[in-house]
This record gives sequence, structure tokens and C-alpha cells, in this order.
Amino acid sequence: NAGVTQTPKFRILKIGQSMTLQCAQDMNHNYMYWYRQDPGMGLKLIYYSVGAGITDKGEVPNGYNVSRSTTEDFPLRLELAAPSQTSVYFCASSREPNYEQYFGPGTRLTVT
Amino acid sequence: AQSVTQLDSQVPVFEEAPVELRCNYSSSVSVYLFWYVQYPNQGLQLLLKYLSGSTLVKGINGFEAEFNKSQTSFHLRKPSVHISDTAEYFCAVSEKTNAGKSTFGDGTTLTVKP
Repeated sequence: NAGVTQTPKFRILKIGQSMTLQCAQDMNHNYMYWYRQDPGMGLKLIYYSVGAGITDKGEVPNGYNVSRSTTEDFPLRLELAAPSQTSVYFCASSREPNYEQYFGPGTRLTVT
Repeated sequence: AQSVTQLDSQVPVFEEAPVELRCNYSSSVSVYLFWYVQYPNQGLQLLLKYLSGSTLVKGINGFEAEFNKSQTSFHLRKPSVHISDTAEYFCAVSEKTNAGKSTFGDGTTLTVKP
């Protein structure tokens, strides 16, 4: 089992560019999540999904989009990158009944 | 709506001393509670969780936590810490009726000194 994988590990974007952060899990988890972690702060939920084809907004969804066409993949799309989106992004997955979240290694994104 | 407050942003302790990291939460419904640990430049991993049953839960690496419903707290404890316990610790809560949506505290940095 690879668990939760994220690509890329690092990325530098110019203001206004777009990109997709990839996330995949091989544990057959129905729940998947995207978080951002700013320095010295906790995790803020961006979007989450309770199954293929079902997504919902979290606490900080503005500037991001997601899709979930398969159980395994949950990509996060940044449109028109802004400096405020400089952060570390974590993808996670979980399943009933324990709801323990398994995290990927993160993507460090810098927007300049 | 739910919220999590970790009462200490930084906790320095000496090796082999006991430690308590405090977490209070607010929710209008029943919740699941979690503690996660994050080592430098890594993702988070689960230390322990409370879903139901006994209010004292034991986790990995000798950590334990007690769920106190009346005080809406879920404090993390370890009787004797090691240098390797130096890390960031996060408390998290999920509503039982919407367990897909979790709220995390801002984290507590535990620094264990020799």
C-alpha cells in the first residue's frame, strides 16, 4: 500500500498562473480531504468529498476547485494563483467507522 | 458549527518529565475526537482517537487522552517524554452526523529538552 500520495512535492507559481495538485489513495477510502497549513497555524479544510461524484466546501474554498471522478483520485485546482495561496497543502483520506485520517506528505506551494 | 482550542501554543519540557497538552472543543452535537502528531516536514499521523465507550483512550508511543464531556475537553498526556516526542500536536473534532468534515486546532509545539 502506498497510502496517500501527492504530487508535486514543491512548486513555484507566478501570480495569475493555474495548476492542479494531484492526490491519490489506494486504501479504498470513501472520504477525501484537502487542507492548507499556513506557518504556525493548524489545518484549514478547503474541500472534502464523501464519495465519487460528491464534493463539498470546507472552511476556505475560495480560489480552489475540486472534482472526484473516481474513489482513488481527488485533484485540487488552483485558478489565478495569488500570493495568499502560498501554503503547504495536505491531502487526506478516511473511511467509516473509524474516520481516522491518513495524510499525504504535502505539497509546498509558493506564489510570487 | 464546531471549534477547537488548543490552550498552549508551545510546551517546553525536560526529558523524562510528564506532559499534558490541553484541548477544548465546542460543538452542539456529539463528536468524535482525535489527536494527531506532525514531525518536521511530514504529514500528520494519528496518535489516538475517541469514538465512544471508555473515556480514557490509549494511543501510540505511550500517549493517552481523556474525554471529558462536561468540560468539553480532550487533553493529551504522557507520563515520561523522550527527545523523539518533539513535534507539533493537533487536536481535531468531527461531528458524528457529518464525520466527513473535521476541524483542527492551531497546534501545540512540544519541545523536549535533554
